[in-house]
Amino acid sequence: DVKVTQSSRYLVKRTGEKVFLECVQDMDHENMFWYRQDPGLGLRLIYFSYDVKMKEKGDIPEGYSVSREKKERFSLILESASTNQTSMYLCASSLVGGSYEQYFGPGTRLTVT
Amino acid sequence: AQSVTQLDSHVSVSEGTPVLLRCNYSSSYSPSLFWYVQHPNKGLQLLLKYTSAATLVKGINGFEAEFKKSETSFHLTKPSAHMSDAAEYFCVVGPLTYSSASKIIFGSGTRLSIRP
Repeated sequence: DVKVTQSSRYLVKRTGEKVFLECVQDMDHENMFWYRQDPGLGLRLIYFSYDVKMKEKGDIPEGYSVSREKKERFSLILESASTNQTSMYLCASSLVGGSYEQYFGPGTRLTVT
Repeated sequence: AQSVTQLDSHVSVSEGTPVLLRCNYSSSYSPSLFWYVQHPNKGLQLLLKYTSAATLVKGINGFEAEFKKSETSFHLTKPSAHMSDAAEYFCVVGPLTYSSASKIIFGSGTRLSIRP
């Protein structure tokens, strides 16, 4: 079974803090994704990566950066957290080719106060 | 361009009765289509997928979906609802090519409630 893990299930940070969200997948997938999920707005893509050190902006990259130094690990960074970044963050991975179905982690619920 | 529309934001059924969650898509090509389920405070789990093989696709937990090209629909059904089916369901259209791997389109979701 594909397993995608996220470093924290719940996180509380203060405004202005630098926040790291970590995601690890164990199936050698090339693609990895970060989404945020908000009530009424559905899932929105923040960034994705198709290879080590490669990244592309998604629909809402402002205020976020990412890092992929190893194939299995994809980090989302909030350089200076703000209250409007309070959200559920979901990481996913997928193979290149085939049907591209994505496998999701359990999510990190981040609260910025 | 691709898009996906889930026609109901909320569906409520009684336990033991059939479930129908509706999804229409728009795509220039024959797409990959998926249904995901999300239980409260959990990640998304793949229920089933269509990838241009059989038009009737069976998934986990007794769910199935039928791809109808003429109606551009991919509705999710289950013959008999169970209390554990209460969750949010997402219809998803897959990407067209590798270069557009980011362009997986999620529907807005349908919340399924089950009445005892």
